[in-house]
Amino acid sequence: GENVEQHPSTLSVQEGDSAVIKCTYSDSASNYFPWYKQELGKRPQLIIDIRSNVGEKKDQRIAVTLNKTAKHFSLHITETQPEDSAVYFCAASYRSDNNDMRFGAGTRLTVKP
Amino acid sequence: GAVVSQHPSWVICKSGTSVKIECRSLDFQATTMFWYRQFPKQSLMLMATSNEGSKATYEQGVEKDKFLINHASLTLSTLTVTSAHPEDSSFYICSASRSSGQYFGPGTRLTVT
Repeated sequence: GENVEQHPSTLSVQEGDSAVIKCTYSDSASNYFPWYKQELGKRPQLIIDIRSNVGEKKDQRIAVTLNKTAKHFSLHITETQPEDSAVYFCAASYRSDNNDMRFGAGTRLTVKP
Repeated sequence: GAVVSQHPSWVICKSGTSVKIECRSLDFQATTMFWYRQFPKQSLMLMATSNEGSKATYEQGVEKDKFLINHASLTLSTLTVTSAHPEDSSFYICSASRSSGQYFGPGTRLTVT
């Protein structure tokens, strides 16, 4: 089955700096890669996703890149703000209906004001 | 759109009793829902996939008879933790799948005393 690894487990940046979180996956059939943000005690929220037919996707300050050959994808947050502080999870799914997703272990991002 | 609710948000029960958690998709129909378990500072661990009108598919290591899942309609899946023990204390989160992604409920914090 799919195995998703995520690094780093914790990340601390200064407000205004960029943050990058990386994930690798094992199943080359995976074709859907979402990123979730989870604040303490709350539900994971989908913040951006990318499909295997696209190499990069951007939404304001966040972007995701995908390298299918190397089987890794990354989340980039620019101009970080304190409210970006949360745990971020990557995931991978090989089903077109996005089912059967496997999650990475999570990255705790802290943005210092 | 894509709102998922969960009830209750938290529950405390005595060891040996059973607890039912409900997951509802409020503004869309979900043929597939998922149940996850999350320990403090850890990732989302998929417990089972709930399929409307059929038996749930459980992940390896998850006891079917202990975690009963019923998906009786396109908007409701229930998870019943039977004969709960303190080690079952955790944060249980459901999600519902649609073409635009997977959307999570707010979670249920279960404490077994």
